[in-house]
Amino acid sequence: QVQLQQSGPGLVKPSQTLALTCAISGDSVSSNSVAWNWIRQSPSRGLEWLGRTYYRSKWYNEYAVSVKGRITINPDTSKNQFSLQLNSVTPEDTAVYYCSRARDGYVDFWGQGTLVTVSS
Amino acid sequence: QSVLTQPPSVSGAPGQRVTISCTGSSSNIGAGYDVHWYQQLPGTAPKLLIYGHTNRPSGVPDRFSGSKSGTSASLAITGLQAEDEADYYCQSYDSSLSGWVFGGGTKLTVL
Repeated sequence: QVQLQQSGPGLVKPSQTLALTCAISGDSVSSNSVAWNWIRQSPSRGLEWLGRTYYRSKWYNEYAVSVKGRITINPDTSKNQFSLQLNSVTPEDTAVYYCSRARDGYVDFWGQGTLVTVSS
Repeated sequence: QSVLTQPPSVSGAPGQRVTISCTGSSSNIGAGYDVHWYQQLPGTAPKLLIYGHTNRPSGVPDRFSGSKSGTSASLAITGLQAEDEADYYCQSYDSSLSGWVFGGGTKLTVL
């Protein structure tokens, strides 16, 4: 059974960087049949896909247009985990952030979610 | 404003059948991209309910079914039960945005 365990701060100051990590058990971040995603959810924006990283002989990253330029998703093969960095955050970035595993375009496993509040 | 449009709420009595629509466009559902459905109970992460328009993961009752026609998709729930009360979301891929898109969610109330 795949399990995803999220970690990271729940409070970030405006203009700073939001950083979360997702530790994977029961699968490998280097699996060539799945993708590792970050999705967030807020009352104002609903569910919003942020981006993904995946391995298909080499590493690929894809990011949502809405956050491109501010986002980085990195795999860490030594720790079997992946991370999210979102720069220059504003209160609009306040949301519950989920890491997830996807195959064939749908999410089959989700992390527990992390509420991140952007406030001074 | 979500790219995929869902009704904000639907309701039905126990045992009844309800449907939830998900309307997209020619750059997502209409382009032939798969539609997937998730159920979200309060305070929990969404759970996969239907993938690839019509397929149920193991453990999902056959009371849940999906369909697709043109630029829209639908989730049907038959034999409504109190435990079905939740938020439901559709999801697909959009070629204009080069990424996944979600519906705004539909709150199902079991009367």
